[in-house]
Parts: sequence; C-alpha cells; structure tokens
Amino acid sequence: SQQGEEDPQALSIQEGENATMNCSYKTSINNLQWYRQNSGRGLVHLILIRSNEREKHSGRLRVTLDTSKKSSSLLITASRAADTASYFCATESPLNAGGTSYGKLTFGQGTILTVHP
Amino acid sequence: KAGVTQTPRYLIKTRGQQVTLSCSPISGHRSVSWYQQTPGQGLQFLFEYFSETQRNKGNFPGRFSGRQFSNSRSEMNVSTLELGDSALYLCASSFLLPGGNSPLHFGNGTRLTVT
Repeated sequence: SQQGEEDPQALSIQEGENATMNCSYKTSINNLQWYRQNSGRGLVHLILIRSNEREKHSGRLRVTLDTSKKSSSLLITASRAADTASYFCATESPLNAGGTSYGKLTFGQGTILTVHP
Repeated sequence: KAGVTQTPRYLIKTRGQQVTLSCSPISGHRSVSWYQQTPGQGLQFLFEYFSETQRNKGNFPGRFSGRQFSNSRSEMNVSTLELGDSALYLCASSFLLPGGNSPLHFGNGTRLTVT
C-alpha cells in the first residue's frame, strides 16, 4: 500500500521557474526521502530529511518536513530541461527492535515534472 | 565506484514460466532490497536481504522469492508467471548507517514482460 500522496500528479513549467511538489504521509517516520526517476530507469536519491529536521538544502533543492501535519515539500529552484523526470517521496518507518524497517521504503505515486526549454 | 548492476535489462516470458533476475550491489553495501514498479500499484517493496538473510518481506505471494550470496549479490525468482507480474523490477543497495537513515542506491531495473 502507498503511504504517501503526492501533489500535483503532474507539473509543467518553463525553464528558470521554480517547481514545488508536495507529499503527505500517514504514519510516523524515521525519515523522508526524495528520489528522481528518468523514464524507464532506476531511481536516483536526491535528499534525505530526518524526522527531527525541519528543512534541508542540497544545491538547487530545498526540502521541508512538517511532522505535525505529516507532510513534506520539495522545491527545485531555477529549473532546467534536464530536471524533467518523475519525483517520488518515500518514507522509512521508525526502526523497531528487530530492525525490520531496514531496506523498506514506502513510496508515493510520484509527480511528473516537465520543464520546457 | 560502480553502481548497482541489474541483469538482464529486458526479459520476455510466457505465463507459467519462471524467471530469475540478478543484482550486484555497490561494493561494500551489504543490504539489498527489491522493489516492483507498475503503473497501477506504483513502487512496492518485495524483500530485503542482509548477510544472506531475508530480514524483511513485503506483501507478495510466495511465488516471489529471493536470496543473497556471501558476496552480497542477490537474485530474485518469480515462479509460475502471471500477466500481472509484468513490471519494472528494481534492486537497491544500502550501506546501512546505524539508526537507519541510509539512502537506497537503485539499479536501472529489469523490465519483465509476461505474455
């Protein structure tokens, strides 16, 4: 089952504009991660934010996390045509004594971003 | 460092057959996870292996199985293939930092088509 709901499902912008994608989740988390996937290929890890962090930056990426609202947002500034891809949020549940959360991420349905040159 | 390598890249099988997919993780990564990606269900966790032991399993029928070798390479097997098994199968490896918070490194996947 999918934990995350992403919004919007599709986003179309011009090069140079900012792109914002939102993600909501249902249960408590250890961290939330964002991944990018180019058509038919594997996922590339973009950024990880821990449950006790509120904001994180990496290059043109800015991620926020609001655990009280169980939501996160990914902002891509000054978008480029090469940013065209699907973007997924994924949550890792808190680790239990058996460590059975290892390796298991629960993904949202993704946002398809198209950046026009 | 070489990335996660999955073979083969594409597979076409018929219903009732079985298939084996292979994954070589990044050197030094001992955790290997498998995911299924379909347009309808999205990305779903299949299982995770660490030191040749399956530690976690998703909600898939017993036709889906896997194993990990002493060099951390992993295989997954799907028996008695059904049309609904057509999907992109993704393998991911992780270094496993203490306390979790370890990103996954994905391969480019194996595209399985069942006819």
